[in-house]
Amino acid sequence: GAGVSQTPSNKVTEKGKYVELRCDPISGHTALYWYRQSLGQGPEFLIYFQGTGAADDSGLPNDRFFAVRPEGSVSTLKIQRTERGDSAVYLCASSLLALNTGELFFGEGSRLTVL
Amino acid sequence: QQQVKQSPQSLIVQKGGISIINCAYENTAFDYFPWYQQFPGKGPALLIAIRPDVSEKKEGRFTISFNKSAKQFSLHIMDSQPGDSATYFCAAGDSNYQLIWGAGTKLIIKP
Repeated sequence: GAGVSQTPSNKVTEKGKYVELRCDPISGHTALYWYRQSLGQGPEFLIYFQGTGAADDSGLPNDRFFAVRPEGSVSTLKIQRTERGDSAVYLCASSLLALNTGELFFGEGSRLTVL
Repeated sequence: QQQVKQSPQSLIVQKGGISIINCAYENTAFDYFPWYQQFPGKGPALLIAIRPDVSEKKEGRFTISFNKSAKQFSLHIMDSQPGDSATYFCAAGDSNYQLIWGAGTKLIIKP
C-alpha cells in the first residue's frame, strides 16, 4: 500500500490480557516510530526504530510494553498484562530518514480499549 | 523545558475568516517546528513546517509566523473553509529525532 498500515484498527480486550499491534510502514522508510494518543491530547512518543534496532525506547511507560522490528520493515508493539490505563490510540509513523529533517507519515492508528 | 504550550484549546471561526493558533516553547535547541492536521479517526498529517532561519513561511492559505526571540510560533489559516475543521497540533524538534507535541487545538469553521 501507499501509506502506513496499522492493524487492528480497533481492539477491545480485558484487563490482564496480552495484546499485539502491528505496523506496516511505507516501503523504503528506515525510521519507524510508535506514539500513543489519549483523547484530547497530542501524540506521546513511545519508541523509535532506525532499521531493525530500537534507537530509543525511553518513552515506553514500563516493562509491560515492548516493540520489535526484526527485518527492518514491519513492527509489532506488544503489551503484556494490559491495564485500563493503557486504553488509547496507538499511532505508528514512518519517515524516509531519521527525524527531524522531514515529514512523519502516520497510520490511522489502533484504538485499544481495555475493559 | 521540553514542553510546547499550545493555545487556544478550541476555536470557532466563521467561513472566510482567519484562524490563528499559537504555540510557545522553552528549549532553544529546538530547530524544527511543524504543524500537523488531524481529522477524526485519522492519523496526523504534516501541514507545513518552518526552521528558525526564516520568520515566515506561506503555503497556499496556510502561513507559519516564527518569532525566535519570543520563542513563539503561530499558524494562520486565511479564508478558513468548513473543510479546515480539524484538530491542529504544533510540535518542536531538535537535532535529535523526537518531536515534542502541543496538546492540540480543535478548530471548527462555521458555514
